[in-house]
Amino acid sequence: GAVVSQHPSRVICKSGTSVKIECRSLDFQATTMFWYRQFPKQSLMLMATSNEGSKATYEQGVEKDKFLINHASLTLSTLTVTSAHPEDSSFYICSAIPSGGRQETQYFGPGTRLLVL
Amino acid sequence: DAKTTQPNSMESNEEEPVHLPCNHSTISGTDYIHWYRQLPSQGPEYVIHGLTSNVNNRMASLAIAEDRKSSTLILHRATLRDAAVYYCILRGFYGQNFVFGPGTRLSVLP
Repeated sequence: GAVVSQHPSRVICKSGTSVKIECRSLDFQATTMFWYRQFPKQSLMLMATSNEGSKATYEQGVEKDKFLINHASLTLSTLTVTSAHPEDSSFYICSAIPSGGRQETQYFGPGTRLLVL
Repeated sequence: DAKTTQPNSMESNEEEPVHLPCNHSTISGTDYIHWYRQLPSQGPEYVIHGLTSNVNNRMASLAIAEDRKSSTLILHRATLRDAAVYYCILRGFYGQNFVFGPGTRLSVLP
């Protein structure tokens, strides 16, 4: 149980275009989801906390107008990278905390590799 | 959330036990100790977590020091598929995000 999926698994886009990444909790509901970014040879860095039905909370240094987060249901959060540039190329990973029940564990998606040309 | 310290890298031989240490001297009484691992080009995978008592599951064992200032993840028989970066993370029960350190890169030699 506790499976989180991401779509797409990898995407290549041209500079200046927007890319949407979906994060779904497949067998549980998640009031809270997180979005992380990971550059090569580095650890995961939290970008934002996504709460169902409310605005996302962004970490310092993350532009909220560039990385749009929508958490419209208890099983889906989306991250849209707007006007993507080559420096946005990275591995984007989401995670989710099950609503109710065991609150202490997060479950991570498989990640989405974004390459901006 | 309190900080953890792990060795940058470790090596093990296949089918031998591996003990991955983690120091967390500033742990608070409500912090859970979590271990995740990340294989190349994948998201982190849950391994095990505990609060005070040692924990066992099908993947690993978690040994927690009596003063809770350190813990050890034990892989009983390392396989080549266990080669990954292992992260030790502290988080309160109702805490929010996990703060990832650099972790320990485990290499398993055939």
